[in-house]
Amino acid sequence: NAGVTQTPKFRILKIGQSMTLQCTQDMNHNYMYWYRQDPGMGLKLIYYSVGAGITDKGEVPNGYNVSRSTTEDFPLRLELAAPSQTSVYFCASSYPPKLTGGNYGYTFGSGTRLTVV
Amino acid sequence: DQQVKQNSPSLSVQEGRISILNCDYTNSMFDYFLWYKKYPAEGPTFLISISSIKDKNEDGRFTVFLNKSAKHLSLHIVPSQPGDSAVYFCAAGFKAAGNKLTFGGGTRVLVKP
Repeated sequence: NAGVTQTPKFRILKIGQSMTLQCTQDMNHNYMYWYRQDPGMGLKLIYYSVGAGITDKGEVPNGYNVSRSTTEDFPLRLELAAPSQTSVYFCASSYPPKLTGGNYGYTFGSGTRLTVV
Repeated sequence: DQQVKQNSPSLSVQEGRISILNCDYTNSMFDYFLWYKKYPAEGPTFLISISSIKDKNEDGRFTVFLNKSAKHLSLHIVPSQPGDSAVYFCAAGFKAAGNKLTFGGGTRVLVKP
């Protein structure tokens, strides 16, 4: 059972280049997320999706785009890379929250470490 | 604004003793709270959650306590083991918002043998 798979694991981009971070999950989760983690900081939400064809902005969406054409895949597109986008990017997926309260939690991928120079 | 805050960046504890990690939040409307553990070069892994209608949840060596009046939650790890050495994040979310989570900045725990 692979869970959440992110590719690539590492990437160096030049300023102004573009790239797509890939994320796929095999748990049939409807909900998917992209977070970024800057050094010594917590995770900040970039975009999320509650199902195929539905996406919405998180806390830090500027400079990014997403699409969700299938339940399994949720790619993150960086256009015109900037040094401020140097970060570790995590994709995650989840079930909806429990009806009785509490939460099943997210399953995270292992991350993509991106450096923009 | 930081709605979820972990004020202690690091914690050192002896193997076998209790680790207590703290987290404060500002929004009293959060529906649930979660704790995650993260090793270097890996994604965070889910540890335990608690609904806002509860004040305690236990799972093996991990117990989370919620004090709503103080807007404070804590994670107790008993007994601490060297494999618990990691960064721990608390997070909070709303049911009606796509299960989005707001994360604290993390606390690095070192368990000394």
